Amino acid sequence: GAGVSQSPRYKVTKRGQDVALRCDPISGHVSLYWYRQALGQGPEFLTYFNYEAQQDKSGLPNDRFSAERPEGSISTLTIQRTEQRDSAMYRCASSSTGGIEGYEQYFGPGTRLTVT
Amino acid sequence: QKEVEQDPGPLSVPEGAIVSLNCTYSNSAFQYFMWYRQYSRKGPELLMYTYSSGNKEDGRFTAQVDKSSKYISLFIRDSQPSDSATYLCAMSSVETAASKLTFGTGTRLQVTL
Repeated sequence: GAGVSQSPRYKVTKRGQDVALRCDPISGHVSLYWYRQALGQGPEFLTYFNYEAQQDKSGLPNDRFSAERPEGSISTLTIQRTEQRDSAMYRCASSSTGGIEGYEQYFGPGTRLTVT
Repeated sequence: QKEVEQDPGPLSVPEGAIVSLNCTYSNSAFQYFMWYRQYSRKGPELLMYTYSSGNKEDGRFTAQVDKSSKYISLFIRDSQPSDSATYLCAMSSVETAASKLTFGTGTRLQVTL
């Protein structure tokens, strides 16, 4: 079946603009995760959802970052008033059940965000 | 200091060599340990998962966890050019039940013919 998909794959925006990044998880997966990955670094946790409930948002850098998953499927990560330091690869992952029984997270291809 | 430290490499080995990849960590609450492989321009994919201490073997891959030393390893036997990728260790605590992963920086491995 289809894996995790993300759109757009590439996004170039001007400083100060808002951006919305979309993640479509594997069908039926309960849990959805957002990470940010800088070049040459491992993914850095941002937030995660079980169904539509945001369980942990401790990794969001500041209040310009928000995420939602209103129907427990597709999720949107929104960055308001973008800054150059927001430039990175944003990755989404999903897992079947969440918690340790669904420990395997399947990652999407990522959205490369460039803020000019 | 980062919670998880990993030598970024690059590590270059000839085909057929045994590869040893390592991570150290500082958070004693980590109980779940994973190794992900990431090919260029792709997302990470899970290779191995280990709970608490001990060894786990899967084909050419062996994962080891030494919680007393806060040290984990991934061994690759009979390395192949197709193993060339970045290897990321990832960890999680019982509290977060493997939902919140803390990754190392990744080690870039190149297996040459």
